[in-house]
Amino acid sequence: ETVLTQSPATLSVSPGERATLSCRASQSISSNLAWYQQKPGQAPRLLIYGASTRATDIPARFSGSGSGTEFTLTISSLQSDDFAVYYCQQYNIWPQITFGGGTKVDIK
Amino acid sequence: EVQLVASGGGLVQPGGSLRLSCAASGFSLNPYAVTWVRQAPGKGLEWVSDVGTDGVHTYYADSVKGRFTVSRDKSKSTGYLQVSSLRAEDTAIYYCATHRPGNNWFASWGQGTLVTVSS
Repeated sequence: ETVLTQSPATLSVSPGERATLSCRASQSISSNLAWYQQKPGQAPRLLIYGASTRATDIPARFSGSGSGTEFTLTISSLQSDDFAVYYCQQYNIWPQITFGGGTKVDIK
Repeated sequence: EVQLVASGGGLVQPGGSLRLSCAASGFSLNPYAVTWVRQAPGKGLEWVSDVGTDGVHTYYADSVKGRFTVSRDKSKSTGYLQVSSLRAEDTAIYYCATHRPGNNWFASWGQGTLVTVSS
């Protein structure tokens, strides 16, 4: 099983600042990584797939990068709507799907 | 409106069963595989099960294999997850989501249905 480790667990950021979230895989997963945003009481929302491709209607301030074992989600200028929990998910070998433990982005 | 509607959750005793449903509204579920992901209270996401577009290919996490059964009804554009032999650790919100075969990220999600296992 591929374990995904997200860091930090909590990230405190001021509105307008940049946020950088990390996801590390226990073995190489090529670019088979997605990112999701989840707000309290809501289902997750797909942000990024293929490590760097934005999903439909996702603002350009969200960007993903990385390959192999190291991945990053960057939010270039945090808006009030962006404070949430973010999860990475790997899909390198079907159906061995795993999620990271999440990073909570809160207001500084 | 295009959406997935999950239902069927509830309070059940240990060892009991429920059937969860995931109905497509405003679109056809038929071109998509249906996956189930759960989230225990205050915890992260765990992939549980998946059924392919043909309804024949099914997949399970080791934690639920032999206890849960995934299926779909094309005529009703609905996916199902039969959860049986339930344990306290199965308590969670169960989300359904869709994906194109081979594109194993989850673009559309239902709102989730809560399963609580308690005596």
